[in-house]
Amino acid sequence: DSGVTQTPKHLITATGQRVTLRCSPRSGDLSVYWYQQSLDQGLQFLIQYYNGEERAKGNILERFSAQQFPDLHSELNLSSLELGDSALYFCASSAWGRSFNNEQFFGPGTRLTVL
Amino acid sequence: AQKVTQAQTEISVVEKEDVTLDCVYETRDTTYYLFWYKQPPSGELVFLIRRNSFDEQNEISGRYSWNFQKSTSSFNFTITASQVVDSAVYFCALSDKNAGNMLTFGGGTRLMVKP
Repeated sequence: DSGVTQTPKHLITATGQRVTLRCSPRSGDLSVYWYQQSLDQGLQFLIQYYNGEERAKGNILERFSAQQFPDLHSELNLSSLELGDSALYFCASSAWGRSFNNEQFFGPGTRLTVL
Repeated sequence: AQKVTQAQTEISVVEKEDVTLDCVYETRDTTYYLFWYKQPPSGELVFLIRRNSFDEQNEISGRYSWNFQKSTSSFNFTITASQVVDSAVYFCALSDKNAGNMLTFGGGTRLMVKP
């Protein structure tokens, strides 16, 4: 158990809909990262927040957005969903935001299926 | 730009055999970190090891060992006396200063250990 929690575990929805994925980092960790794992793209970094502020952005679509709240939990919002958005979405946390050497601990993931 | 290549998409061995998973990376930075993660059938990503670019000493942890060679930009992972519980997808990842905190993952190697 990494200490990172994600809800829900599974999500099934229809094209055009909007969903919110939630992540709680390990106790004391200030950084939260979101990754997408799909069959065709592999594991890709989406976005990072550190202590409530956006720190880095990867291959995140404009239809996707995220935020980190004062209690450090984070939400990833996916809108106008398409079939290709079906994937496993991971949240990870680490202690620091600036250092690129710290290990990231991953949550169990949310499996999103868009029908 | 950084890149991680895991040329072996799938490996199948019989229990008790030794197996090596290859990882080749590309980065322009002289300071970087390499990681290995395990993804068992249950889907979570489990952190295994972190290695910095200045430390080329091989590391051993139980049946696991890692061979880091800067000259060939490789960070290979060996499992000695494999067990059925080692069956999983293994990911090599890289983070460097240019990329900030994001992890760049290889495509993963699916290891199947048969009894």
